[in-house]
Amino acid sequence: EPEVTQTPSHQVTQMGQEVILRCVPISNHLYFYWYRQILGQKVEFLVSFYNNEISEKSEIFDDQFSVERPDGSNFTLKIRSTKLEDSAMYFCASKRYQETQYFGPGTRLLVL
Amino acid sequence: QKEVEQNSGPLSVPEGAIASLNCTYSDRVSQSFFWYRQYSGKSPELIMSIYSNGDKEDGRFTAQLNKASQYVSLLIRDSQPSDSATYLCAGYSGGGADGLTFGKGTHLIIQP
Repeated sequence: EPEVTQTPSHQVTQMGQEVILRCVPISNHLYFYWYRQILGQKVEFLVSFYNNEISEKSEIFDDQFSVERPDGSNFTLKIRSTKLEDSAMYFCASKRYQETQYFGPGTRLLVL
Repeated sequence: QKEVEQNSGPLSVPEGAIASLNCTYSDRVSQSFFWYRQYSGKSPELIMSIYSNGDKEDGRFTAQLNKASQYVSLLIRDSQPSDSATYLCAGYSGGGADGLTFGKGTHLIIQP
C-alpha cells in the first residue's frame, strides 16, 4: 500500500542553523501539507500546497519557514534560522482530492 | 475560541467493553470530520471519516456526527488492549486545500 515517507526520522541542530525536512507524498496525490506537534501538545497545521504554490498557511508559518516541491516527488519544509521553540515532531501529509489526508511517520526535530 | 475540543482523559475501559470518545467543534470547523489514532511517538493514523449527519460503521468502529449539536463521537466495540492510544478528532472548513484542525486528543486505556 502506498505511503508517505519522510527523512530524516530524527534531526538535531543548533539554534540559528537551517534545516530541511523532506517528504515524498503518495504518488498520485495532489495536495500536500506540513503539520507540527510539540511534545505533549496537539497537532498544528502549518501549510498546504497545491499546484506548485502555497494554498493556505497558519500564523505559525512565518518568514522563517518555506516549502518547495523541487521535483515531481519530493516536498520539503525549510526552517531558515531555527529557534529552541521549533523543536517538535513535523509531519507531512498528502491527499488526492476531497478525501482523507494520510500522514507520514514524521521527523523529530531537536534544536539545541 | 477553541475550534475542536476533546476531553484529554485518560479514559479507562475494560477489555471487551465499548469505548466512547467525544468531540465538539465550533462553527469554523463544520464540514468534514476525521478520527485519527496516534500511538506515542508515532504519526496520526486514520480510523474513520464522516461527512454527513448520522452514523457510519466500519468494523468495530462507529463514528457519529450531529451537526445541530456540533458533536462528533467515535465508538469502539469489543475494545482490545491494542486500541490503547490517543484518539484525535479533526475537521476542516471545506475546500480542497484547507489544513485540518485537530483537538488535543483523548488518551484511551484498555484494561486487560
